[in-house]
Amino acid sequence: GENVEQHPSTLSVQEGDSAVIKCTYSDSASNYFPWYKQELGKRPQLIIDIRSNVGEKKDQRIAVTLNKTAKHFSLHITETQPEDSAVYFCAARLYNQGGKLIFGQGTELSVKP
Amino acid sequence: GAVVSQHPSWVICKSGTSVKIECRSLDFQATTMFWYRQFPKQSLMLMATSNEGSKATYEQGVEKDKFLINHASLTLSTLTVTSAHPEDSSFYICSARDRISGNTIYFGEGSWLTVV
Repeated sequence: GENVEQHPSTLSVQEGDSAVIKCTYSDSASNYFPWYKQELGKRPQLIIDIRSNVGEKKDQRIAVTLNKTAKHFSLHITETQPEDSAVYFCAARLYNQGGKLIFGQGTELSVKP
Repeated sequence: GAVVSQHPSWVICKSGTSVKIECRSLDFQATTMFWYRQFPKQSLMLMATSNEGSKATYEQGVEKDKFLINHASLTLSTLTVTSAHPEDSSFYICSARDRISGNTIYFGEGSWLTVV
């Protein structure tokens, strides 16, 4: 089955700096890659997603890149703010598997003012 | 946007008892829902796929007799933790995909289960 690896597990940056979180997946049949932000005890919130037919997607300070050949995708947050502090999860969905997501291990991002 | 409601948001039960958690899609029909478990400071682990009108599909290592899943309608899936033990204490969260809107997957609010 699909396996998703996420790095780093913790990331600390200064306010205003950029943060990058990387994920790799194992199954080349995966075709949808969402990123979630989760605050303690709450549901994951979708922040950005990308499909396998697209290499890059940007939404204001957040961008995601996908390298299908290498089977990895990355989340980029620019001009970080303290409110960006949370746990971020990447995920992958196999083609034709409905909404079944396999999650990475998570990255705890801390943005220091 | 689409909403998935989960109930209860938290529950405390005694060891050996069973507890049921409900997951409802409020404004869309979900033929498939998913149940995840999340231990503190860990990732979301997929437990099972809940299929409307048929048996659930369980992930490897998940005991189907312990975690009973019923998907009786297009808007409701239930997870029953039977004969609960303290090690079952966790955050349980469901998700569903709105097929009409495309890829978007919606999560319930999650349910904190504490077994004492």
